[in-house]
Amino acid sequence: AQSVAQPEDQVNVAEGNPLTVKCTYSVSGNPYLFWYVQYPNRGLQFLLKYITGDNLVKGSYGFEAEFNKSQTSFHLKKPSALVSDSALYFCAVRELGGSQGNLIFGKGTKLSVKP
Amino acid sequence: NAGVTQTPKFQVLKTGQSMTLQCAQDMNHEYMSWYRQDPGMGLRLIHYSVGAGITDQGEVPNGYNVSRSTTEDFPLRLLSAAPSQTSVYFCASSYKTGETFGSGTRLTVV
Repeated sequence: AQSVAQPEDQVNVAEGNPLTVKCTYSVSGNPYLFWYVQYPNRGLQFLLKYITGDNLVKGSYGFEAEFNKSQTSFHLKKPSALVSDSALYFCAVRELGGSQGNLIFGKGTKLSVKP
Repeated sequence: NAGVTQTPKFQVLKTGQSMTLQCAQDMNHEYMSWYRQDPGMGLRLIHYSVGAGITDQGEVPNGYNVSRSTTEDFPLRLLSAAPSQTSVYFCASSYKTGETFGSGTRLTVV
């Protein structure tokens, strides 16, 4: 069965330091991978996606993610964290591989950036 | 361009009451879906639709009905509300790649 794992419930980072939010996946076929962010009392906002091509994907707000096929990972990164990055982050994968099927979400990682 | 619009934003129901959560999109997307978000559980798919007249069940469909009479609208009906349905509900639409989400409906069943 297709699945997404976010092994950390919470990540704490000091402002200005690099941040990484981890995600691993299991899917048949070519994975379509996504990161979404949710600010308090808001809906989910699309950050970036990997479909094919360059393993390093750049997205909104200075975030990027690295696709690693051998490790089945798609970790979210940012070189210098901001307090305003504090939010809930979700990794997701297309259920059937490729562009087909529903999105399967990880349980989310709460990112806390302290001044 | 409104994107995905959900109404109401907040709702309190008594156990056993029924209601409909509204969802509309103006992007002409064929695919629409409903998720519920509960603490520590991420988002779980309730129902989805790949086009007008076509709906299917997701991971947690019990207690919910949907219909898709038009491309734009995808309402979610709670038939007889239960406290276990207290949650935040998100509607989404998509075309080929990523989903666009509505701002959510926070539902409390007492």
